[in-house]
Amino acid sequence: EVQLVESGGGLVQPGGSRRLSCAASGFTFRIYWMSWVRQAPGEGLEWVANINQDGSEKNYADSLKGRFTISRDNAKNSLFLQMNSLRVEDTAVYYCARDGKTALASLHFWGQGTLVTVPS
Amino acid sequence: DVVMRQSPLSLPVTLGQPASISCRSSQSLVYSDGNTYLTWFHQRPGQSPRRLIYQVSNRDSGVPDRFSGSGSGTDFTLKISRVEAEDVGVYYCMEGTHYTFGQGTKLEIK
Repeated sequence: EVQLVESGGGLVQPGGSRRLSCAASGFTFRIYWMSWVRQAPGEGLEWVANINQDGSEKNYADSLKGRFTISRDNAKNSLFLQMNSLRVEDTAVYYCARDGKTALASLHFWGQGTLVTVPS
Repeated sequence: DVVMRQSPLSLPVTLGQPASISCRSSQSLVYSDGNTYLTWFHQRPGQSPRRLIYQVSNRDSGVPDRFSGSGSGTDFTLKISRVEAEDVGVYYCMEGTHYTFGQGTKLEIK
């Protein structure tokens, strides 16, 4: 059974940093692209970033303007999202999602999400 | 940038009746490999999204056959043949090259 478990969320002051983690199990992690998707309270879904199998290719939503960095550790079946210069509008539930074996969006499986709150 | 527009945004449906959600993209979603990367998700209240349909019309494992996807180019539709109580929540379409989501359609039971 595919499992994705996010952690690392919490209350972060504006301008602060946070590192989110996603522990993957139940599938061969190293052969899939992985994504982060976020959802602000009461809002829709917004893709954040993705990363290819060996971490050599990374893509980000234009709105992030270089503040976030996605990475992975295939030896530990883990995905990460380093978030810097956090803003109030970054408040959201952050989901880790398993993508496909290509750069074309799949988002087949999702974790339960971790909430990041940046207070005003 | 691709823009995805869903309609309606709110969909009250009587149990057992059909439902239909439209998703339109600002440009063709046919990729260079000939496939069309249009995906549908369902998010129940308080839960994570769940993928229902990929590449326009392929149902994921475990998705009831009352769900069907269709369309081509820029116009796509998700249909539920007979709505059940567990179908409430928000439905999102997404295009697969830039991961652009539609605004979401909230299905509720009348």
